[in-house]
This record gives sequence, structure tokens and C-alpha cells, in this order.
Amino acid sequence: GAVVSQHPSWVICKSGTSVKIECRSLDFQATTMFWYRQFPKQSLMLMATSNEGSKATYEQGVEKDKFLINHASLTLSTLTVTSAHPEDSSFYICSAGSRPSTVGANVLTFGAGSRLTVL
Amino acid sequence: GESVGLHLPTLSVQEGDNSIINCAYSNSASDYFIWYKQESGKGPQFIIDIRSNMDKRQGQRVTVLLNKTVKHLSLQIAATQPGDSAVYFCAEKTQGAQKLVFGQGTRLTINP
Repeated sequence: GAVVSQHPSWVICKSGTSVKIECRSLDFQATTMFWYRQFPKQSLMLMATSNEGSKATYEQGVEKDKFLINHASLTLSTLTVTSAHPEDSSFYICSAGSRPSTVGANVLTFGAGSRLTVL
Repeated sequence: GESVGLHLPTLSVQEGDNSIINCAYSNSASDYFIWYKQESGKGPQFIIDIRSNMDKRQGQRVTVLLNKTVKHLSLQIAATQPGDSAVYFCAEKTQGAQKLVFGQGTRLTINP
């Protein structure tokens, strides 16, 4: 089945540093990937839509200069949290469209998530 | 608009009982809905989906019901097992859009 891999699964960094999270589609090509953010006991909030070969589309309220997204190939998208601060600590999850479901729509497959802790 | 949850509602059921998890959506233009299961520290897992031209779909031990009149979606899990303990999210998509918008989620706890 479709697999989306995220790396690292968890990372701790100092305030002011930058952290890069990778999202890879392992057995399929994904022209579009999505980045979500999830705080404890809350739902997933879409941050941006990552399009291969073009600029990402950010949701309202998400700072594009702080959350840099690069989708350099059909199997890899990266999210870089620049100048991270403690309030950026969260669970970051990526997803990619894979095979059509039995109702004919593309099912998003999610990565396992990356937990970022900023000290 | 976007559905955002501040605190997860919880549902506790006895092992072996059926459980029903509900979700309300606000966008009448949504035409595709998915239920996801998320275990602690993991990403969401696809459970079942349904298009707006349907009102019911059944899978293995799960059934999704869609009531477009009142913009309500439910997930029924039959004969719950300990492994069903997780947070369940509904998600919606509008025609022509790529992105999924998630509902607030419900934490399901199975009691032995």
C-alpha cells in the first residue's frame, strides 16, 4: 500500500535555530503534498499545500517566511521551521495523495508525524 | 469555514459494544468525507470514505452515515475491540479542491 515517510520522528532544538522535516512518498509519486500542524488534544490544522516544482500555497495566518516548504521532486517535500521558538513546538504531519479509494477519490496517506520541541 | 477543536470530546464504551462517533460539518459545498483514526503519537490512518451522492457505506466493522440535510456525518464501529481506542477525525473536501479540512475529533476509549 501507499506509504508516506517522515523524518525525523522527533527533534529537540534550541530557540532561534532552524529545523528541517522531510516527507517522502515511498512507493508512489505525489505532485501535491500537504503539511499539517497538530497541538496536543487538538485537531489537524492545514498549514500549506506543497506543489512539486512550484511555490507552496499557504493557509491564512501561516507565515511563509517562517515555515519554508520545498517540493523539489515527486517524492520529497521538506518543511523548514526557521528561527524556531517554543511556541512552534508541535506535531507536524505531512500527507500525500495516493491511490483512488473504492469511491473513486484520491485518499490522502499520512506520515507518522514529526514532534518538534523547541527549548 | 475551518473546523477547529480546542478540546477533544470523549466517548467511552464497553468492549464488544457498538460505538457511534458523530461529526458536524459546516460547508454545504463539501462533497467528499473521510474518517481517520489517529493513535497516540502517530499520523492519521484512513478508515472509510463516502461521497456526497451516497448516504451510507459499510466496511469491515465500520459504517459511515451521511445526512446532508443537517450536515452530519457519523461513524459506527461494531463490536469494539481494545485496539479501537484512538482519536477519530472526520475530514471534508469540496469539489475541485485538493485540501482536506479536519473536524475536531473524538477520543474513543474501550473499557474492558
